[in-house]
Amino acid sequence: DSGVTQTPKHLITATGQRVTLRCSPRSGDLSVYWYQQSLDQGLQFLIQYYNGEERAKGNILERFSAQQFPDLHSELNLSSLELGDSALYFCASSVGDSLLGEQYFGPGTRLTVT
Amino acid sequence: GNSVTQMEGPVTLSEEAFLTINCTYTATGYPSLFWYVQYPGEGLQLLLKATKADDKGSNKGFEATYRKETTSFHLEKGSVQVSDSAVYFCALRSSMNYGGSQGNLIFGKGTKLSVKP
Repeated sequence: DSGVTQTPKHLITATGQRVTLRCSPRSGDLSVYWYQQSLDQGLQFLIQYYNGEERAKGNILERFSAQQFPDLHSELNLSSLELGDSALYFCASSVGDSLLGEQYFGPGTRLTVT
Repeated sequence: GNSVTQMEGPVTLSEEAFLTINCTYTATGYPSLFWYVQYPGEGLQLLLKATKADDKGSNKGFEATYRKETTSFHLEKGSVQVSDSAVYFCALRSSMNYGGSQGNLIFGKGTKLSVKP
């Protein structure tokens, strides 16, 4: 158990809908990272937050957004969903600055868009 | 840009066989290198890491050496077990703030390993 929790475990929704994925980092970790794992694209970095502020952006679509709250949990919002958004979404956390410490991954949320 | 290339799978081995999974990278500066493992139905777990050239990361019988001259970080294990069956990901973390991407991990495509008894 990495100490990173993600909810829900599974999510099935229809095209055009909007969903919110939630992540709670390990106790004491200030950074949260979101990754998408799909069959065709592999594992891709989406976005990072550090202590409530956006720190880095990767291949995140404009239809996707994220935020980190004062209690350090994070939410990834996916809107206008398309079939191609079906994937496993992982959250990871690390203790502090991006160059320090390891990233610990949560179990993931499997999103299926029908 | 930064990238990681690892050997295509799947790899099927018999128990106690020797394992090598090749990984090469392209990066500016001096990245840190990682191997993560994903067991069926689970998230990624850090297996080992190396932060500078010639460092050897090791854990649970797995080893990988950071070779800057060949830009490689091959994963090896002398004697695999059925319980090692999983998907293995090679990854790098840049040491430079490249387009705001400092710190995030860049992964290879993953190599699925199946070990038969």
